[in-house]
Amino acid sequence: SQTIHQWPATLVQPVGSPLSLECTVEGTSNPNLYWYRQAAGRGLQLLFYSVGIGQISSEVPQNLSASRPQDRQFILSSKKLLLSDSGFYLCAWSLGSRGQETQYFGPGTRLLVL
Amino acid sequence: AQSVTQLDSQVPVFEEAPVELRCNYSSSVSVYLFWYVQYPNQGLQLLLKYLSGSTLVKGINGFEAEFNKSQTSFHLRKPSVHISDTAEYFCAVSRFTGGGNKLTFGTGTQLKVEL
Repeated sequence: SQTIHQWPATLVQPVGSPLSLECTVEGTSNPNLYWYRQAAGRGLQLLFYSVGIGQISSEVPQNLSASRPQDRQFILSSKKLLLSDSGFYLCAWSLGSRGQETQYFGPGTRLLVL
Repeated sequence: AQSVTQLDSQVPVFEEAPVELRCNYSSSVSVYLFWYVQYPNQGLQLLLKYLSGSTLVKGINGFEAEFNKSQTSFHLRKPSVHISDTAEYFCAVSRFTGGGNKLTFGTGTQLKVEL
């Protein structure tokens, strides 16, 4: 069966510090991978998605970047965190390319920028 | 452009009572619709999804939803809720990108089941 891991679970970082969040998927090959951010009262916002190694699409201009160095690894980064980067970050994966696919979510990383 | 509206940010209900969580969407193309549930400090779990065919969709934990194209709605229902249903519920519409689907989520409805 497939599983998705995210770490760390919780992170407290000062403004201006760098960020690296990691997401890995097990039990499948060539998944589509997604990063979402959840802010209080605002639902989930898609930040990045990837359909293959090295292929990253950005949904919104922001202080963050994403990379996919391996088939089942997706990394969210920032060089300098802002207060507004605080939130709950969720990674998800899906298979296929017809628009009907279920996305499966990881447990999330709660980031607090002080 | 697609959007999802969940008008109710919070819905309190007593245990064993029925509940309906409302979701309206807008889309210029055929849609695929999803309901996800999120328990505190966890990721999202799929409850059910509508792709095509029967407009009444049954999901896990006794939930069901009805797709209404004329009213552009996809309301979630459960005839009798349990304390364990307390969670946040998100409606989402899928947008096909040619490589993976992008989900546009509503702002969520917090369901609070009370004794």
